[in-house]
Amino acid sequence: NAGVTQTPKFQVLKTGQSMTLQCAQDMNHEYMSWYRQDPGMGLRLIHYSVGAGITDQGEVPNGYNVSRSTTEDFPLRLLSAAPSQTSVYFCASTPGGGTYGYTFGSGTRLTVV
Amino acid sequence: GIQVEQSPPDLILQEGANSTLRCNFSDSVNNLQWFHQNPWGQLINLFYIPSGTKQNGRLSATTVATERYSLLYISSSQTTDSGVYFCAADDRGSTLGRLYFGRGTQLTVWP
Repeated sequence: NAGVTQTPKFQVLKTGQSMTLQCAQDMNHEYMSWYRQDPGMGLRLIHYSVGAGITDQGEVPNGYNVSRSTTEDFPLRLLSAAPSQTSVYFCASTPGGGTYGYTFGSGTRLTVV
Repeated sequence: GIQVEQSPPDLILQEGANSTLRCNFSDSVNNLQWFHQNPWGQLINLFYIPSGTKQNGRLSATTVATERYSLLYISSSQTTDSGVYFCAADDRGSTLGRLYFGRGTQLTVWP
């Protein structure tokens, strides 16, 4: 099915552990981004990419790393998980060019204990 | 970044009622959108509407970019309309791919 695929859907980590949230899209979209959603806060941008090899920071980048080696994939890495990173994470993509909307993945619910 | 404010924060309706959700934004935007987050957490893109008016069934949206606001209209609401409605925008002149979200309007429709 065409769209944005996120894995895993649920994850529990211990404080200090590292992990990678996966995001893949099959629509050949140039632009991809990661957001976190916390209760009452809406979604906030973590990192984004405008093409393979190009990434930049968003509003809340601390504690996260990204890379974009292919157009299709945009993984998000938590370097040393903290309880403050407990959240729901969404990946999104858009073709770019300023004339199209965004497609979001189904989200990853992460709990750090 | 830009600021995006939504009102009301909560809305409770009887099935069949109409409603209007508002989104104000602080600066010129490049990519105003409305999303619905259903009770299962899925984000669905409702409208890409940087200006003008669009309609899709019982939903319609209007953006007046010069006055920095957008409205989402829901007519003849149904219980399946329940969820959170978000407005989001990309700031004009920036690199595309940075959406700024409002805090959402929580809509509950009772049968």
